[in-house]
Amino acid sequence: AQKITQTQPGMFVQEKEAVTLDCTYDTSDQSYGLFWYKQPSSGEMIFLIYQGSYDEQNATEGRYSLNFQKARKSANLVISASQLGDSAMYFCAMREETSGSRLTFGEGTQLTVNP
Amino acid sequence: DTGVSQDPRHKITKRGQNVTFRCDPISEHNRLYWYRQTLGQGPEFLTYFQNEAQLEKSRLLSDRFSAERPKGSFSTLEIQRTEQGDSAMYLCASSLMQTVFSEQYFGPGTRLTVT
Repeated sequence: AQKITQTQPGMFVQEKEAVTLDCTYDTSDQSYGLFWYKQPSSGEMIFLIYQGSYDEQNATEGRYSLNFQKARKSANLVISASQLGDSAMYFCAMREETSGSRLTFGEGTQLTVNP
Repeated sequence: DTGVSQDPRHKITKRGQNVTFRCDPISEHNRLYWYRQTLGQGPEFLTYFQNEAQLEKSRLLSDRFSAERPKGSFSTLEIQRTEQGDSAMYLCASSLMQTVFSEQYFGPGTRLTVT
């Protein structure tokens, strides 16, 4: 089974609107972390936001917030007030306590922000 | 620039040749990771170091692949007898060992093309 599933290969949003990128995960660990990364066409992976499995509040970082629903095993990324520079590939990733230090990534969602 | 750096950024080689990539992590980071990313996919974990010790290797890391971090600073990833299937982006990341879930910071990657 896939550990990280991103069901939206591509998403489109109008500039200044909000967009939600979906991510579901599968783990039997009690302790794990969920990460979102942005990868522009230049190729570098840029860390955006982190949510720990024991965190009771949803993580926020500027225009990024993480909608964490533990029972549903989902960790959706919400980008508010989209900007043209937000156009990129977005990856959800997980680190499980029992899997050492590795990050397991989903297949990504290509976000396009239209003017 | 105090981020993760990788050299070279691009490498084109003929099948059967050996190639070596270098990664310089963020200076105070003691953990260093290698990932491989093929077109349209998320990164896949290859191996990681804590200081100079290689603590984990993925089954993706065949006998033709070897990684070193001799002085706990920069790391090299060597691929011997390259095959066309080795064509991919090779990403390096580093992190602090503050908590189990410290975020990993990625370099710009080395894009390998095997002809």
